Amino acid sequence: EVQLVESGGGTVQPGGSLRLSCAASGFTFSSHYIHWVRQAPGKGLLWVSRVGPDGSDTAYADSVKGRFTISRDNAKNTVYLQMSSLRAEDSAVYYCGRQIGGAGLTLGQGTLVTVSS
Amino acid sequence: QSALTQPPSASGSPGQSVTVSCTGTSSDVGRYKLVSWYQQHPGKVPKVMIYDVSERPSGVPDRFSGSKSGNTASLTVSGLQAEDEADYYCSSYTDSNNFIFGGGTRLTVL
Repeated sequence: EVQLVESGGGTVQPGGSLRLSCAASGFTFSSHYIHWVRQAPGKGLLWVSRVGPDGSDTAYADSVKGRFTISRDNAKNTVYLQMSSLRAEDSAVYYCGRQIGGAGLTLGQGTLVTVSS
Repeated sequence: QSALTQPPSASGSPGQSVTVSCTGTSSDVGRYKLVSWYQQHPGKVPKVMIYDVSERPSGVPDRFSGSKSGNTASLTVSGLQAEDEADYYCSSYTDSNNFIFGGGTRLTVL
């Protein structure tokens, strides 16, 4: 069974940092693109970032570029999202997702990030 | 990059068909066959229903179908059932090497 388990969420002050983790199991992790998608309370989905199978191909939404860094450790079947210079508008549930086909995502249960003083 | 455009709401009676549209530009929907659709029930995780315009993941009923014409993609739900009532989001790859979502459509089963 494919599983994606996010962790690392919590409450952080504006300007602070947080690292999210996404632990994967049930599939050949090193063959898949992994993405992060977020959803603010009561709002729609927003794509955040993605990393390619070997970690060399990364991309970011304009709203997080320069502040967030995505990486992966294929030996640990884990993807990370390092978030810095956090703003109130970054508050959301963050989902990691395994890419299927060219662009579909199967998402984990999510982890909540709250940026507040 | 602006979000894809979806109608805020759609509705249909049980057994009917309903189509939800998703309009982008020639830089995203119109350029790539990389459109996906997600279903989200209240308080639940979004679930992919269609990927790559018209492909259905294993376990998704064949009542759900996807298509694309020009800059507009569509999700059709046939034989509408009560459990289909949910929010639906479209997504597309873009020529900026990123992905964008639509604002979501609330589907109501009357």
